[in-house]
Amino acid sequence: GQQLNQSPQSMFIQEGEDVSMNCTSSSIFNTWLWYKQDPGEGPVLLIALYKAGELTSNGRLTAQFGITRKDSFLNISASIPSDVGIYFCAGPYGGATNKLIFGTGTLLAVQP
Amino acid sequence: DVKVTQSSRYLVKRTGEKVFLECVQDMDHENMFWYRQDPGLGLRLIYFSYDVKMKEKGDIPEGYSVSREKKERFSLILESASTNQTSMYLCASSSAHYGYTFGSGTRLTVV
Repeated sequence: GQQLNQSPQSMFIQEGEDVSMNCTSSSIFNTWLWYKQDPGEGPVLLIALYKAGELTSNGRLTAQFGITRKDSFLNISASIPSDVGIYFCAGPYGGATNKLIFGTGTLLAVQP
Repeated sequence: DVKVTQSSRYLVKRTGEKVFLECVQDMDHENMFWYRQDPGLGLRLIYFSYDVKMKEKGDIPEGYSVSREKKERFSLILESASTNQTSMYLCASSSAHYGYTFGSGTRLTVV
């Protein structure tokens, strides 16, 4: 079945550092989504990508849809303490338009 | 403010008990989902529903069932709770095209 693997599994960084994380799939995706889960809350959508090669920004966050359509990348510039949380990539199950498969998650800790 | 509300933030249940996790959304969404979150495994889909009284199995339905009698409510049922069902459970709803809204989660401990 489909799997989404994220790396790294966790990151511990200093405030102000840039962060990079990625997500790889065993199969092709037509859409990539990135979610963030704050401690004690449910995940919230950050960025959606719909086309291979697409680069999309949301403030200090930039995400890219890999050209092979089997991977995606998320970068956070100049991290701040409120960036702490778990970041998940997600994509539609087997082409289904309303059902998502989520990645294994990247835990980000930011030290002030 | 649109919301998905899960009835309990924390639950402690005994092995063998029947457990009900309730989820209510106020956005008139057709689709509702139950995911389970475990460290290193991410979110895994247990069941989802695309209409009242309709349900489909996700990746890990064993040991669970669901009920959707009204559009706004989707219940997850653990027929006989076991310790390996200790986890964080997340409910979500969506209308179309990936607009998921998640609840805050229920952390279930089975002892």
